Amino acid sequence: GIQVEQSPPDLILQEGANSTLRCNFSDSVNNLQWFHQNPWGQLINLFYIPSGTKQNGRLSATTVATERYSLLYISSSQTTDSGVYFCAVGLDNYGQNFVFGPGTRLSVLP
Amino acid sequence: GAGVSQTPSNKVTEKGKYVELRCDPISGHTALYWYRQSLGQGPEFLIYFQGTGAADDSGLPNDRFFAVRPEGSVSTLKIQRTERGDSAVYLCASSFSRDHEQFFGPGTRLTVL
Repeated sequence: GIQVEQSPPDLILQEGANSTLRCNFSDSVNNLQWFHQNPWGQLINLFYIPSGTKQNGRLSATTVATERYSLLYISSSQTTDSGVYFCAVGLDNYGQNFVFGPGTRLSVLP
Repeated sequence: GAGVSQTPSNKVTEKGKYVELRCDPISGHTALYWYRQSLGQGPEFLIYFQGTGAADDSGLPNDRFFAVRPEGSVSTLKIQRTERGDSAVYLCASSFSRDHEQFFGPGTRLTVL
């Protein structure tokens, strides 16, 4: 089956710093989403981005589907950005049964 | 409702018992998904409904797990003869249709003693 990798597995930042999270996947996909899982376990949608670039405030994401990777950029990080960031991909021609990556655990220190 | 809701939020049961977990999707969403998340891991796909039918149940771990969506809206995940290894957070998601963004509920934390 499809493999989804995320890097780095853990990241510690000082408040105000910028970061880039990466998601690599092993097969062609027709759906890709980035989520933030908060300390209470809720998965919060960040981006639906099977291809191209999107921006939302301090966050932006880019997916290069032909090269099978996606990047999530966090600028001017805040303590509330702490949590786990997941990349999830939907398999081409297999509907939308997502495969999640292992996540990047982000800790933003005040 | 405004988002996906799941009940109960927490469920504690004893090994061997039967449990039902409920998911109310976003109104108008035809696609519904169940996932399971173990501690420290990403969610894992269990089953996908398009309307009333299970379009893909390849993620169900064994025949103790079963899910229904009889009217194409609310779904129930049923687990028979629960085992301690079934302890996890069970997440439900819905989307407008097959190729659209998925939205997740808060999950049900199942603990099997």
